[in-house]
Amino acid sequence: DAGITQSPRHKVTETGTPVTLRCHQTENHRYMYWYRQDPGHGLRLIHYSYGVKDTDKGEVSDGYSVSRSKTEDFLLTLESATSSQTSVYFCAIQGGSSDTQYFGPGTRLTVL
Amino acid sequence: DAKTTQPNSMESNEEEPVHLPCNHSTISGTDYIHWYRQLPSQGPEYVIHGLTSNVNNRMASLAIAEDRKSSTLILHRATLRDAAVYYCILRDSGSGTYKYIFGTGTRLKVLA
Repeated sequence: DAGITQSPRHKVTETGTPVTLRCHQTENHRYMYWYRQDPGHGLRLIHYSYGVKDTDKGEVSDGYSVSRSKTEDFLLTLESATSSQTSVYFCAIQGGSSDTQYFGPGTRLTVL
Repeated sequence: DAKTTQPNSMESNEEEPVHLPCNHSTISGTDYIHWYRQLPSQGPEYVIHGLTSNVNNRMASLAIAEDRKSSTLILHRATLRDAAVYYCILRDSGSGTYKYIFGTGTRLKVLA
């Protein structure tokens, strides 16, 4: 299995509070991605990174920011959480000559 | 962005072959076709991918139509552990990055 972990695995928070999710990899892969998954939808890309300090928006980036200060960590921040951000968040990594993405186990976030 | 269309659900008997179809009529010449599956409460996992020719690996086979407007994932002998949501994805080649666009996938039910 690819070395990718997410923390926390579960979180319950209140509307208006800031939340940071962490994705950590041990593969030294260049690309990292944050997705969210909601009932009735497949995975939707929030933000992605193509290198340290190089990030770009995905299709549902409003209300989210990201940072990547080192290769192994990609942080997703909800500056002021809303109930619509209740979801399961998946991180993925990809690198080398492979076109394959490897996904983490997911973080279940509930915003009350 | 090129999109894919899959049936919402399919059923198969255990030990029988399964053919999961995917339509991607707007595929561009350089888009790779990827298949991932997602077991309950897990992140997606890679199954197979291809460009033009049929592909085989230990998990499955991928048959790609000559015009590339459709493809079929073939599980040669379904087992109960193959019950999952299967996603057919086109890699977005337009941006120069490895962005995936997920649809809602096909939920495969395997009957004992």
